[in-house]
Amino acid sequence: GENVEQHPSTLSVQEGDSAVIKCTYSDSASNYFPWYKQELGKGPQLIIDIRSNVGEKKDQRIAVTLNKTAKHFSLHITETQPEDSAVYFCAASNGAGGSYIPTFGRGTSLIVHP
Amino acid sequence: KAGVTQTPRYLIKTRGQQVTLSCSPISGHRSVSWYQQTPGQGLQFLFEYFSETQRNKGNFPGRFSGRQFSNSRSEMNVSTLELGDSALYLCASSRTGSEQYFGPGTRLTVT
Repeated sequence: GENVEQHPSTLSVQEGDSAVIKCTYSDSASNYFPWYKQELGKGPQLIIDIRSNVGEKKDQRIAVTLNKTAKHFSLHITETQPEDSAVYFCAASNGAGGSYIPTFGRGTSLIVHP
Repeated sequence: KAGVTQTPRYLIKTRGQQVTLSCSPISGHRSVSWYQQTPGQGLQFLFEYFSETQRNKGNFPGRFSGRQFSNSRSEMNVSTLELGDSALYLCASSRTGSEQYFGPGTRLTVT
């Protein structure tokens, strides 16, 4: 089955700095890669996603890149703000039969210091 | 549009008991998936329902079961609770199957 590795497990940055979280996956059939943000006491929130036919996607301060050959994908957050502090999860899945069952990374705790 | 709702939010049960958790998906979403989140194992897929049929199942024992109703609402049941079942149980709904929207979860504590 699919295996997703996520690094680092903890990331501490100063407000205004950039943050990068990296994930690798093992199954070359995976074609959908979402990122989730989970704040304390809440469920994960989908913040951005990318499909295997695209190399990069941006949404304001957030961007995701995908390298299919190396089976790497990364989340980039620019101009970090204290409200970006949360746990971020990457996931990989393939849409076999129209069903996308994600395999999640172990999460990165991002701390943004004011 | 209302988000995914889960009830109850918190639950304390004793070993050997059974529990039923409920999930109401976003209106128009026909896919509902359930996940278990623990510090040790992370986020793990339990099962997915689509149009009242279980479409996929994760690697959990048969004590974990679920169902989906005609209005897409879903329930999951855990029988003969064990201490290791203590976790945050998350429900997610999807219209397309890929973009999943999670509820706030039900925190289950087994004593």
